[in-house]
Amino acid sequence: QSALTQPASVSGSPGQSITISCSGTSSDVGGYNHVSWYQQHPGKAPTLMVFDVNNRPSGVSNRFSGSKSGNTASLTISGLQAADEADYYCSSYTGSGTLVAFGGGTKLTVL
Amino acid sequence: EVQLVESGGGLVKPGGSLRLSCAAAGFTFTTYSVNWVRQFPGKGLEWVSTISPSGDSIHYADSVEGRFTISRDNAKNSFYLQMNSLRAEDTAVYYCARKGVLGWNFDYWGQGTLVTVSS
Repeated sequence: QSALTQPASVSGSPGQSITISCSGTSSDVGGYNHVSWYQQHPGKAPTLMVFDVNNRPSGVSNRFSGSKSGNTASLTISGLQAADEADYYCSSYTGSGTLVAFGGGTKLTVL
Repeated sequence: EVQLVESGGGLVKPGGSLRLSCAAAGFTFTTYSVNWVRQFPGKGLEWVSTISPSGDSIHYADSVEGRFTISRDNAKNSFYLQMNSLRAEDTAVYYCARKGVLGWNFDYWGQGTLVTVSS
């Protein structure tokens, strides 16, 4: 059982926007601004898409954006493209013990 | 170009040991903390361990504390994960990953190495 809760799947049509939620507690998501999002295509390693809630690494499209409210973080992908179809994972720093918690992952299907 | 290359995975019996290695290139290795993250067959990710640039700060996930040991050799631009007392639930793809300079994120990952614990 993952520490952070994500929906198992989301879907959208090309050009649309979708949002993936990541629910935690005040000990992780709500307590720190160290929430990250990763994209993983089948058979590949994860790729960092958003860090520290709403920052994008160099080279990541501005169609990907992050936000946080209370104990829940969100990843929004606008202008959906076929290449966005992948698994998405959130993570958060926890401050103690197991220092980083991951969500269970969300499969994005582009219809 | 940043590169992280894992090696050392394989099939091991329960209770056995295995040592994973990660060779780094394309960045100043002594500047970054490095980590091991694993992905279970059901696809979930789990952070395993981190080691600071100088090796003086080390942390483990509760699930591996006391069984796994992370280390690094800055002269060889490499780091390692010694895994002892392996269990079936340790079966996973193990990724080495670089911790970003800012915050707690993993900005570069290796391709992964599969560890299977089975009799």
